[in-house]
Amino acid sequence: DAKTTQPPSMDCAEGRAANLPCNHSTISGNEYVYWYRQIHSQGPQYIIHGLKNNETNEMASLIITEDRKSSTLILPHATLRDTAVYYCIVTNDMRFGAGTRLTVKP
Amino acid sequence: GAVVSQHPSRVICKSGTSVKIECRSLDFQATTMFWYRQFPKKSLMLMATSNEGSKATYEQGVEKDKFLINHASLTLSTLTVTSAHPEDSSFYICSAAMAGGSYNEQFFGPGTRLTVL
Repeated sequence: DAKTTQPPSMDCAEGRAANLPCNHSTISGNEYVYWYRQIHSQGPQYIIHGLKNNETNEMASLIITEDRKSSTLILPHATLRDTAVYYCIVTNDMRFGAGTRLTVKP
Repeated sequence: GAVVSQHPSRVICKSGTSVKIECRSLDFQATTMFWYRQFPKKSLMLMATSNEGSKATYEQGVEKDKFLINHASLTLSTLTVTSAHPEDSSFYICSAAMAGGSYNEQFFGPGTRLTVL
């Protein structure tokens, strides 16, 4: 079984921030948290990753709690093209959970 | 950025035949490659971990004699579905970890859709 749990689905209004949570309560000290997304019938696309500190890139921000047991992916200004299934994984595991299906609505 | 390709992107075959899927790292060397399968509206399921020059490590419940994995070079891993049956129809995805880089960083291929008639 995957080491991560995520809500199965979320909706977000276009232009608003999308906040996607992930629980990884059994994460080990040397494991990274990686986020990917998958649009229908394509391979997963890398979004962002982190170990302890919060991270930001051109796509998203990643907030990791101090105890590292959970994290939140933030898409600051969601667009319709951000509609996808979002997965978080911890890297000594490489098993995907069910992910969160994000639907961005006009 | 690191690019991983898969070939073919789509294949249709008759029941009982074998199908080979290639996974290539185009601009980097990959010591480790992972193979996943994905059924419609389901998540990716890890099938096996493949290390260059050694036998693959299969996940529980995955038949190693049915899903043959070869990782003969640092840029190529192959998955052969032997004696394919309709229930093997699925989306197969590989990923690769860069040699000398962090084990953690995976680069995914675009996937191969297998349909067994």
